[in-house]
Amino acid sequence: RKEVEQDPGPFNVPEGATVAFNCTYSNSASQSFFWYRQDCRKEPKLLMSVYSSGNEDGRFTAQLNRASQYISLLIRDSKLSDSATYLCAVNKDTGNQFYFGTGTSLTVIP
Amino acid sequence: GAVVSQHPSWVICKSGTSVKIECRSLDFQATTMFWYRQFPKQSLMLMATSNEGSKATYEQGVEKDKFLINHASLTLSTLTVTSAHPEDSSFYICSAEFRAGANVLTFGAGSRLTVL
Repeated sequence: RKEVEQDPGPFNVPEGATVAFNCTYSNSASQSFFWYRQDCRKEPKLLMSVYSSGNEDGRFTAQLNRASQYISLLIRDSKLSDSATYLCAVNKDTGNQFYFGTGTSLTVIP
Repeated sequence: GAVVSQHPSWVICKSGTSVKIECRSLDFQATTMFWYRQFPKQSLMLMATSNEGSKATYEQGVEKDKFLINHASLTLSTLTVTSAHPEDSSFYICSAEFRAGANVLTFGAGSRLTVL
């Protein structure tokens, strides 16, 4: 079983739509969770951290569900510039080694 | 903000040659750096953890004699792909933790290796 599972998509949504991505992880001991954004042929850039209490940054909301071992990312009012691949990252146990999901491809259509 | 510089950004080499990729933390010290590999349309795969002044820790299935890692200073880690073959062609990305214990990674821009 993979450490992190993520639906690769692609998700094609119109501008202004709300879209949600989920990621499941297998290690219940994991403590740190993040969402990264990766543009084509570029390195990943940190989008936001994920906490049990939820984390909101503008149009982006991240949530952690420890009981079900998944994290989510919600994007409201999608913009064309949101088109990218979104990767979830989960740490290995409590350390600073991270496993990444396969990434979910999002294309926002005018 | 934290910057990780990676060089070269792309390299093409012949099969059987060795290629060295450098990863530098420009404005902070990194006792630990991480090397990832990403094949097209696949996720980042953690290859190894590079530790300053000691041996790297390799993930299961990654050949340590194939992928040589050296972390000789607090700001530089190198990955050498030895006797490269076409199947080693990939996007290699290093990362470092800006603040120890923060568990937030800053990535280099990546090095795209093509082995002919």
